[in-house]
Amino acid sequence: DAGITQSPRYKITETGRQVTLMCHQTWSHSYMFWYRQDLGHGLRLIYYSAAADITDKGEVPDGYVVSRSKTENFPLTLESATRSQTSVYFCASGAGGIYEQYFGPGTRLTVT
Amino acid sequence: AQKITQTQPGMFVQEKEAVTLDCTYDTSDPSYGLFWYKQPSSGEMIFLIYQGSYDQQNATEGRYSLNFQKARKSANLVISASQLGDSAMYFCAMRGTMNRDDKIIFGKGTRLHILP
Repeated sequence: DAGITQSPRYKITETGRQVTLMCHQTWSHSYMFWYRQDLGHGLRLIYYSAAADITDKGEVPDGYVVSRSKTENFPLTLESATRSQTSVYFCASGAGGIYEQYFGPGTRLTVT
Repeated sequence: AQKITQTQPGMFVQEKEAVTLDCTYDTSDPSYGLFWYKQPSSGEMIFLIYQGSYDQQNATEGRYSLNFQKARKSANLVISASQLGDSAMYFCAMRGTMNRDDKIIFGKGTRLHILP
């Protein structure tokens, strides 16, 4: 009954490498989201998904790829990591509409 | 456009006192939800409380209550009997029916320090 989990919690990678951040939720929420949190920018939406096999871009999607083959999983892939993608990444899920979203513990990613 | 404004970048409050964190919002949505999240130094984002725009009563969750004044477009968080563990960053947020991407709009946050 963990709710929403993310892995890894911390990751250091080199510029140009591919990195995948995992997100898993046990609530069967239809909506899932990826945000990044940076000083001075707050939380910004990268991608979101309204249901399995339905994904759409948020405000900062460039350099990221998502998929959602199962309702409970929503991985985020950085195809070729850049230093500007150093950030804390939060996955979230929710029922949709005007209701709250629940956040995972975050992944702190450093690109060297 | 939707906007959340939190005017208090930081607050210091004595333990056991009540504290009010200010939040004003702007939206043209007829229906929306308002939320507060807590982010302690460990980094996770913890959902605290939800208020729907059509809810007649102010939301309460334990020591947290949301002072919702729709006409003034304010949604202040009140924490009663503050504790040392309440020290954290607090974000006010909203989500409306007109959000194309269903994202939550966050304010810049208020950092709350509880003093022993």
